[in-house]
Amino acid sequence: QKEVEQDPGPLSVPEGAIVSLNCTYSNSAFQYFMWYRQYSRKGPELLMYTYSSGNKEDGRFTAQVDKSSKYISLFIRDSQPSDSATYLCATGRNTGANSKLTFGKGITLSVRP
Amino acid sequence: DGGITQSPKYLFRKEGQNVTLSCEQNLNHDAMYWYRQDPGQGLRLIYYSQIVNDFQKGDIAEGYSVSREKKESFPLTVTSAQKNPTAFYLCASSLRGTALYGYTFGSGTRLTVV
Repeated sequence: QKEVEQDPGPLSVPEGAIVSLNCTYSNSAFQYFMWYRQYSRKGPELLMYTYSSGNKEDGRFTAQVDKSSKYISLFIRDSQPSDSATYLCATGRNTGANSKLTFGKGITLSVRP
Repeated sequence: DGGITQSPKYLFRKEGQNVTLSCEQNLNHDAMYWYRQDPGQGLRLIYYSQIVNDFQKGDIAEGYSVSREKKESFPLTVTSAQKNPTAFYLCASSLRGTALYGYTFGSGTRLTVV
């Protein structure tokens, strides 16, 4: 079983829709969770960061972590064509100074005008 | 502005050739990483370095080599031993011990074998 699994997509929604993107992870020691957004032919950029369980909201974006079910979600409200991108979840655990992130495969979202 | 610069943006390699991808950062980050991205495969770690003059293999290091002679620079060489090098290559960095707060990525180099 891979450490981080992400719905493969692609996903296409109409403008204004609520989008739900999901990942599952296998290692219960993971405590750090984040979502990256990657536009075509660009590098990923950090979108949302969450430590441990709970919700975090930033404008139209909400990141949710459920550690009991090892589930990570990103919700996008009132989706816009500019949200069209690939979204990658990432997680990691503290192994000291050499800690690294583990990434999901990414899901490509297209928001239709 | 601080950031990571990858060059070139596009690179073409002939069969049997070695090519080197450049990655430079002015963020004063200790740790640097190289990832390969293929459609449907996500980010796969090639090599990473936590400090100068030290680096470790990632999950897919075969056919690649790196050096870390300066804190700011972490070049990746794709050797002729890499049988399927066509991919999008991403360099990233973080402060050592803060990787779990996120990486900063460069804009990538797209390598194509011709």
